[in-house]
Amino acid sequence: NAGVTQTPKFRVLKTGQSMTLLCAQDMNHEYMYWYRQDPGMGLRLIHYSVGEGTTAKGEVPDGYNVSRLKKQNFLLGLESAAPSQTSVYFCASSPPSRRYTDTQYFGPGTRLTVL
Amino acid sequence: AQKVTQAQTEISVVEKEDVTLDCVYETRDTTYYLFWYKQPPSGELVFLIRRNSFDEQNEISGRYSWNFQKSTSSFNFTITASQVVDSAVYFCALGGSGTYKYIFGTGTRLKVLA
Repeated sequence: NAGVTQTPKFRVLKTGQSMTLLCAQDMNHEYMYWYRQDPGMGLRLIHYSVGEGTTAKGEVPDGYNVSRLKKQNFLLGLESAAPSQTSVYFCASSPPSRRYTDTQYFGPGTRLTVL
Repeated sequence: AQKVTQAQTEISVVEKEDVTLDCVYETRDTTYYLFWYKQPPSGELVFLIRRNSFDEQNEISGRYSWNFQKSTSSFNFTITASQVVDSAVYFCALGGSGTYKYIFGTGTRLKVLA
């Protein structure tokens, strides 16, 4: 099993350009998440999904959109990139649990620089 | 409101020393979950442990041990006989009952010097 994979690993954009980050998991997990990591701020949740076809906003959703058309994939889009979106982006997935927050398994991250 | 505080921004120790990383949390949930993750220099996030709020037993796994105390809202992590390979950023996270979301602390960077 590959676990959680992210594409691409690195990307440099110019301000105003758009891009899509792809997250794929092969663990048959229901829940998927996108985080950004900035120095001194830990990880902050951007958007998440509790199942195919459903998405919800996290802590810092502005400037991002997401889609979950297939259970195994979770896409993060930047329509018009801004320098403030320079960050490391992590995708994670977890199995479903109605009672508690289950363990999240993370991808290797995507380092995005917006000039 | 939920919050996780890792007051130690960076810790440096010499190899073979013991080191404790502190994690203090705030939550109104009666049932919640606490996690520790390790982020080595390569950048990936590695799951270390999950504890639930109704099990205050301390846990030991090899050189790692965790001390969970509800009375002080703390979930501290100790590495015994530290090694250079332990050098990483360590994150503590809180998950509430019935939610799918974590609240992460800002991390503690541990440097183990040879």
